[in-house]
Amino acid sequence: DTGVSQDPRHKITKRGQNVTFRCDPISEHNRLYWYRQTLGQGPEFLTYFQNEAQLEKSRLLSDRFSAERPKGSFSTLEIQRTEQGDSAMYLCASSPTRRAGGYTGELFFGEGSRLTVL
Amino acid sequence: AQSVTQLGSHVSVSEGALVLLRCNYSSSVPPYLFWYVQYPNQGLQLLLKYTTGATLVKGINGFEAEFKKSETSFHLTKPSAHMSDAAEYFCAVSSNFGNEKLTFGTGTRLTIIP
Repeated sequence: DTGVSQDPRHKITKRGQNVTFRCDPISEHNRLYWYRQTLGQGPEFLTYFQNEAQLEKSRLLSDRFSAERPKGSFSTLEIQRTEQGDSAMYLCASSPTRRAGGYTGELFFGEGSRLTVL
Repeated sequence: AQSVTQLGSHVSVSEGALVLLRCNYSSSVPPYLFWYVQYPNQGLQLLLKYTTGATLVKGINGFEAEFKKSETSFHLTKPSAHMSDAAEYFCAVSSNFGNEKLTFGTGTRLTIIP
């Protein structure tokens, strides 16, 4: 059983550099979500896709952040000109749509990509 | 707008004792409520959820939670703690079942004392 996978698991970068994270959802799931989790906080919603369409973006997603899901399968989250405040765990999750078979309302999370900006 | 408050960022209980993790929510529409658990170095996984119907819901690993609308609460309980229950627990709320844009609480770290 292949779950949600994220790459890289850890990334250390210098302020001002660009970073990209990749998420591979469970193959039959057409919804994909990105959340961000900082120390001592719960996950915060960033954006989500249904297939290749990005349906909603949080105000947390500044113009330095861009997410794509070009073929409705894997997704990338790019952060340009990183700042120290971007240091966080970036979580990806997937789920089937409600009309799909087996829908339970559950989000299936990956293990996250931890970003440290020096 | 929705929000979740988890009282107690750290809770310690003895092995075999009752586990009670508190969650209060705020929602302008009927809420859908979730508890997720995060074990060290693992992704979050669903423990249980309330959507409609029975207000006492049972989840995995012997956990259960009761939706109390009058108290805007969804506390998580387990009658007898086990060492393997040590983890971080997150309560979450959604206003729309079918769109898992969840609002999470800040989490409660559960420690089990042998």
